[in-house]
Amino acid sequence: AQKVTQAQTEISVVEKEDVTLDCVYETRDTTYYLFWYKQPPSGELVFLIRRNSFDEQNEISGRYSWNFQKSTSSFNFTITASQVVDSAVYFCALTPIQGAQKLVFGQGTRLTINP
Amino acid sequence: DSGVTQTPKHLITATGQRVTLRCSPRSGDLSVYWYQQSLDQGLQFLIQYYNGEERAKGNILERFSAQQFPDLHSELNLSSLELGDSALYFCASSRGLAGMMGADTQYFGPGTRLTVL
Repeated sequence: AQKVTQAQTEISVVEKEDVTLDCVYETRDTTYYLFWYKQPPSGELVFLIRRNSFDEQNEISGRYSWNFQKSTSSFNFTITASQVVDSAVYFCALTPIQGAQKLVFGQGTRLTINP
Repeated sequence: DSGVTQTPKHLITATGQRVTLRCSPRSGDLSVYWYQQSLDQGLQFLIQYYNGEERAKGNILERFSAQQFPDLHSELNLSSLELGDSALYFCASSRGLAGMMGADTQYFGPGTRLTVL
């Protein structure tokens, strides 16, 4: 069975601080995809990134960066110089590359950026 | 805007009733997925359709059913509603199917918030 754990239920920081959201996963699949989605207060789920299990290269997109470490089954997400607009619930998710494409989500981390 | 549309945005109904949620996938996407988001269960996969056929099932109740039509839009039918069915229901779509081109990214619609009174 697959499982995604986001141990941080809520994080609150002051604007311009850096913040890291943790994600740990369990799977028996040898190949899989990991995702991060953002759910702002308006409620929609916004895709942020997809990472293959066979590509451990870290990725940076503007103020966002992702650190994938297969050895520790972690896929952490860092926001640099946070802004109030980053306030949202962030979900980490997992799906096998082959077979049923159901996303298994973590419980989410509610991030609040205070001005 | 993901390109996935869902209607209605909000739905308020009574216990025992039946409702239909509608989803139109992004242009060109053949797979449609339904998810339920509730406070106690989090985000849970319900069912997937690919080009009109059911492809995967999650923890979907027998009172719930779905279908995907020839124009690729999908409907999720919820019957004999209970208070516990109150949740945000998301539809997502993706290009294809695992095995053809690998699992691909699912883009989510804005959701339908269902309240059962």
